[in-house]
Amino acid sequence: DTGVSQNPRHKITKRGQNVTFRCDPISEHNRLYWYRQTLGQGPEFLTYFQNEAQLEKSRLLSDRFSAERPKGSFSTLEIQRTEQGDSAMYLCASSLRDYTEAFFGQGTRLTVV
Amino acid sequence: AQKVTQAQTEISVVEKEDVTLDCVYETRDTTYYLFWYKQPPSGELVFLIRRNSFDEQNEISGRYSWNFQKSTSSFNFTITASQVVDSAVYFCALSEEKDGGSQGNLIFGKGTKLSVKP
Repeated sequence: DTGVSQNPRHKITKRGQNVTFRCDPISEHNRLYWYRQTLGQGPEFLTYFQNEAQLEKSRLLSDRFSAERPKGSFSTLEIQRTEQGDSAMYLCASSLRDYTEAFFGQGTRLTVV
Repeated sequence: AQKVTQAQTEISVVEKEDVTLDCVYETRDTTYYLFWYKQPPSGELVFLIRRNSFDEQNEISGRYSWNFQKSTSSFNFTITASQVVDSAVYFCALSEEKDGGSQGNLIFGKGTKLSVKP
């Protein structure tokens, strides 16, 4: 499978716990994005990387959220001290620098109980 | 500020009917990109089309067609002879240009859920 891969697909966690999600982009893609999608809404931009550099962060990305992309390959998104409001689908996408089509993974559905 | 409005929350049609999904956008940029994505029940967003702001030609791809009108800030999507497999949520999105290409930071509408019944 050469598409964007996200793991895990589903995560249920208790409020206050930390969670980490992983995204493996399409191998030749330099750009990697994280979006969040809640029920009945369109995806909302969180952050994006150009290779290993994190170039932009949305104001939606509170201090409890951190994203990394070591060596410009896979990326992780960590949420510390989860809250019920963090329950959402977290989507990862990747694209080539000179192209604008972003290809999305199937997402990680987080449920905070 | 950039904004994308998809006024139709849900549409239900019978197979073989034509259906148009509306998209209206707001931006102050003169250079921008418009997209349509399909999200089937599996959840993965599937890219359908990208159009830059300087290209107002309509596009047809099989049963899909897109009508871009800058004068009304609209980028509507029509499915001809709809099929059950077209059932999905469809998102319109907008991004601004930076560094000679789309930044890729997409502003999505809330989506239109299309149900095609046999």
